[in-house]
Amino acid sequence: QAVLTQPSSLSASPGASASLTCTLRSGINVGTYRIYWYQQKPGSPPHYLLRYKSDSDKQQGSGVPSRFSGSKDASANAGILLISGVQSEDEADYYCVIWHSSAWVFGGGTKLTVL
Amino acid sequence: EVQLVESGGGLVQPGGSLRLSCAASGFTLSSYEMNWVRQAPGKGLEWVSYIGGSGSGIYYADSVKGRFTISRDNAKKSLYLQINSLRAEDTAVYYCTREADDAFDIWGQGTMVAVSS
Repeated sequence: QAVLTQPSSLSASPGASASLTCTLRSGINVGTYRIYWYQQKPGSPPHYLLRYKSDSDKQQGSGVPSRFSGSKDASANAGILLISGVQSEDEADYYCVIWHSSAWVFGGGTKLTVL
Repeated sequence: EVQLVESGGGLVQPGGSLRLSCAASGFTLSSYEMNWVRQAPGKGLEWVSYIGGSGSGIYYADSVKGRFTISRDNAKKSLYLQINSLRAEDTAVYYCTREADDAFDIWGQGTMVAVSS
């Protein structure tokens, strides 16, 4: 079982909210990790969006709009990237990342399609 | 302008070697931890290796341990990745990325490594 699991795809309508999940493997407690989120558009390197561990330990990437935010669902053992007011330019791949057992671990990525 | 520029990629036969370089500009390289991240064609991102600012503290993904070697020359403002015993599954775009406050805040454009006979 992968350390981080992301749904492969998600679609959202312009103006709606999109919730992208990153589920940690059983036995790895989401509460103890900072979760990092990156956006990647075709043909470009990834771009850092934000970091979230708790409301008192979070960071927005430089120039990243506030409509991108992070949270956690402890009951699901998952990190969440919330995009409020989705725009066409948000169509991209999104990756979650944690530092686990002396390694950076990437989730498989979620392709967000804006319909 | 803060910038990372990778070079050294190319087509290599299985079992071959390459040395990737990453030139840093616009910031003091020694002040930052650095990483290599790769992306196979059409696939997701995979972390490859980490090196501390002074060169101490080095980590590798299990998939490359024993074959890849990360290093840096802060005086030359450069990061390196020596990749040996290349396999088809090493085919990917290799990105160098700066780590600031634990986040990969700056990325290069990447260099392509293709392993094929």
